Amino acid sequence: AQSVTQLDSQVPVFEEAPVELRCNYSSSVSVYLFWYVQYPNQGLQLLLKYLSGSTLVESINGFEAEFNKSQTSFHLRKPSVHISDTAEYFCAVSDRNTGGFKTIFGAGTRLFVKA
Amino acid sequence: EAGVAQSPRYKIIEKRQSVAFWCNPISGHATLYWYQQILGQGPKLLIQFQNNGVVDDSQLPKDRFSAERLKGVDSTLKIQPAKLEDSAVYLCASSSFQGLLNEQFFGPGTRLTVL
Repeated sequence: AQSVTQLDSQVPVFEEAPVELRCNYSSSVSVYLFWYVQYPNQGLQLLLKYLSGSTLVESINGFEAEFNKSQTSFHLRKPSVHISDTAEYFCAVSDRNTGGFKTIFGAGTRLFVKA
Repeated sequence: EAGVAQSPRYKIIEKRQSVAFWCNPISGHATLYWYQQILGQGPKLLIQFQNNGVVDDSQLPKDRFSAERLKGVDSTLKIQPAKLEDSAVYLCASSSFQGLLNEQFFGPGTRLTVL
């Protein structure tokens, strides 16, 4: 069965510092991996996704994540964060089941960027 | 392109009362999802529709929750009667293809408080 573990519930970091949000998953089949971001009082938005091909994927606002099959991880990184990156980040895994694709979300990591 | 619309944004009811939430997905999106997001947790899929048919409702508490998508467009999620543990944000999402990409677009959610 699928599961997603986000190892940190909260990550405080100073502005311009690097950050890594950790995500591990378990699945018995090929998976597709996603990071969603939820800004305060807004809905979830897709940040980046891994479907196939290059294991390193990037977003338009400087985040990147690397799919590591041997470690079943999909950690999210940014070399220098901004105050505006303060949000909750959800890792999600999707795989094919009899009804199509089923997506499971992690519990989320709250990133708090301090000035 | 208009996003996923949900109403109401907030609802406060007493336990044992009934409540209904409405969702209008992005035009043309065949797949519609309802998620429950309890405070401090990631979204949990309640039900998934493909057009007006149910693909997955395995985690829907069918003794009190019901959902319909009669014309394959907008959808209603109902809780009757509500319990204290139903307090959560109810998220609606839609996607254009239930296959490979499975990118979901989320609405802003309805925050339900059961007193």
